[in-house]
Amino acid sequence: AQSVTQPDARVTVSEGASLQLRCKYSYSGTPYLFWYVQYPRQGLQLLLKYYSGDPVVQGVNGFEAEFIKSNSSFHLRKASVHWSDSAVYFCAVSAGSNNRIFFGDGTQLVVKP
Amino acid sequence: AQTIHQWPVAEIKAVGSPLSLGCTIKGKSSPNLYWYWQATGGTLQQLFYSITVGQVESVVQLNLSASRPKDDQFILSTEKLLLSHSGFYLCAWSQQNSGNTLYFGEGSRLIVV
Repeated sequence: AQSVTQPDARVTVSEGASLQLRCKYSYSGTPYLFWYVQYPRQGLQLLLKYYSGDPVVQGVNGFEAEFIKSNSSFHLRKASVHWSDSAVYFCAVSAGSNNRIFFGDGTQLVVKP
Repeated sequence: AQTIHQWPVAEIKAVGSPLSLGCTIKGKSSPNLYWYWQATGGTLQQLFYSITVGQVESVVQLNLSASRPKDDQFILSTEKLLLSHSGFYLCAWSQQNSGNTLYFGEGSRLIVV
């Protein structure tokens, strides 16, 4: 069965600092992996996705993620955060073929000015 | 461009009353459609998905039902609301054979009193 673990419920960083949000998944095959962002009282927006190819994928607003198969991880990174990046970030995994998409519990990012 | 619209934006309903939430997708033919439920500050639980008109698969039984009466419409409903139904309901669509890349609506907030 598929599952996603985001070990950090809340991450606080200073504006301009680098960021890493952790995500580990469980799936025996080749997964589709996603990062979404949710701003208060809004739906989720896709940041980036990975299925194959270059394990480092670029997303919107300077975000990137790296797929490390040996570690079953798909961590999200950003070189320099802005206060507007404050939001909840969700990692998700899908097998691609069965219309089931599993989300982690989310990580709330707080960017201090 | 595809747009997804959910209605109503928010509702306050009494326990035992009926509920109907709607979702319409424009600009995309034959999308896969999904309903998710999110507790306040919580993770997303997939409730239903549909790959074609008239066909809905249940993922989690929460005393809710879903229907797809038209290609671009997905309805979530119940005849009797429970307190536990409170939360944020998100509709999403994906393109077939896209690895389940989801695009979400803005959500409907439900408070059951």
